[in-house]
Amino acid sequence: GNSVTQMEGPVTLSEEAFLTINCTYTATGYPSLFWYVQYPGEGLQLLLKATKADDKGSNKGFEATYRKETTSFHLEKGSVQVSDSAVYFCALVYGGSQGNLIFGKGTKLSVKP
Amino acid sequence: DTGVSQDPRHKITKRGQNVTFRCDPISEHNRLYWYRQTLGQGPEFLTYFQNEAQLEKSRLLSDRFSAERPKGSFSTLEIQRTEQGDSAMYLCASSLGQGNIQYFGAGTRLSVL
Repeated sequence: GNSVTQMEGPVTLSEEAFLTINCTYTATGYPSLFWYVQYPGEGLQLLLKATKADDKGSNKGFEATYRKETTSFHLEKGSVQVSDSAVYFCALVYGGSQGNLIFGKGTKLSVKP
Repeated sequence: DTGVSQDPRHKITKRGQNVTFRCDPISEHNRLYWYRQTLGQGPEFLTYFQNEAQLEKSRLLSDRFSAERPKGSFSTLEIQRTEQGDSAMYLCASSLGQGNIQYFGAGTRLSVL
């Protein structure tokens, strides 16, 4: 079936460190891929997306590249800030679906000053 | 644009009681989704509406659950005869058509005692 697997958390980094959160997927057809972020006490917000192979989504210094050959969509940021502390969810919408998102379990990131 | 709003933010109920949650989507959005998120997991799709029509329901949506979207505006999700296993965060999202970004509300946290 269609699914998303992302690395277990929590992840604790110092400010200005490099961030990678791994995400791999299994899907029918050609899915669209997303990263959502959930700040404490707030709703999920779209961080970035990619709709076809080799697309790179980027926003707020975060990047992720849609890799069809490795079925991956890893999230990266070169220099994290304390304000990036949140839970990050990788998600997909698979081809032929009605648009409902399939999420990974989430990775909690804590950035220390 | 006030975003997606959900009411109440928190609900505590006793096992066996009925509860109803409300979601107000972004005004021009024709698609509305309900998801459920349990602790340590990503959101899981429950059901979605296009305008007033409920077009898909997940297997997670037992017969104790019912959702409506009269007139294609706000939506309600009712759970009858609540069970402890229903304790979760219930999330609502809306979008303008299939394939477009889903905007999430902050959720309703249900605790069944």
